[in-house]
Amino acid sequence: QVQLVESGGGLVKPGGSLRLSCAASGFTFSDYYMGWFRQAPGKGLEWVSYISSRGDNIYYADSVKGRFTISRDNAKNSLYLQVDSLRAEDTAVYYCIRYGTFDIWGQGTMVTVSS
Amino acid sequence: DIQVTQSPSSLSASVGDRVTITCRASQTISSWLAWYQQKPGKAPKLLIYKASSLEGGVPSRFSGSGSGTEFTLTISSLQPDDFATYYCQQYNSYSRTFGQGTRVEIK
Repeated sequence: QVQLVESGGGLVKPGGSLRLSCAASGFTFSDYYMGWFRQAPGKGLEWVSYISSRGDNIYYADSVKGRFTISRDNAKNSLYLQVDSLRAEDTAVYYCIRYGTFDIWGQGTMVTVSS
Repeated sequence: DIQVTQSPSSLSASVGDRVTITCRASQTISSWLAWYQQKPGKAPKLLIYKASSLEGGVPSRFSGSGSGTEFTLTISSLQPDDFATYYCQQYNSYSRTFGQGTRVEIK
């Protein structure tokens, strides 16, 4: 069945960086648009970024533009989010998303930004 | 960006009650609206997609309606397992947006 497994989260100091990964299985990864959502502790859900199936169209939320970079490797069935210049307000669970008739979510990876 | 306004932000209800949650989009999104249930520490669980299609395995007491800009999630008879937070999500555009959430609490 369709599965999305995120990894790469952790505790990082303000200004630091992380690379989040999402391993996809159970579907033809290269056929699908993908993205990232996030949810800060006790808060609502926020769209972060989108990437087209071939990686030639990319969009970001204004809150992360210039600091986050989405990418994909269709040969490895993997989606990535490079998160740089992290701020306390980036603390959240980050979810990998497969776009479609309805969106499919991973279980999330926690990013904590704290000194 | 398409804004989504969800109401109420919270409600108290008893087991067996009929519960209705509403979402309004800032522009027409056809039927590209989903409803999710979230419990503490868990990822959101899809309940309804394309405004009114029930996801497999979701109890039939959940139903969705609407199109264009006005949408509703109805729980026909609230059960103990339904106390959670509910979110609507528009997916008419690549930049998905979510309602603010409705926390359903036990009266």
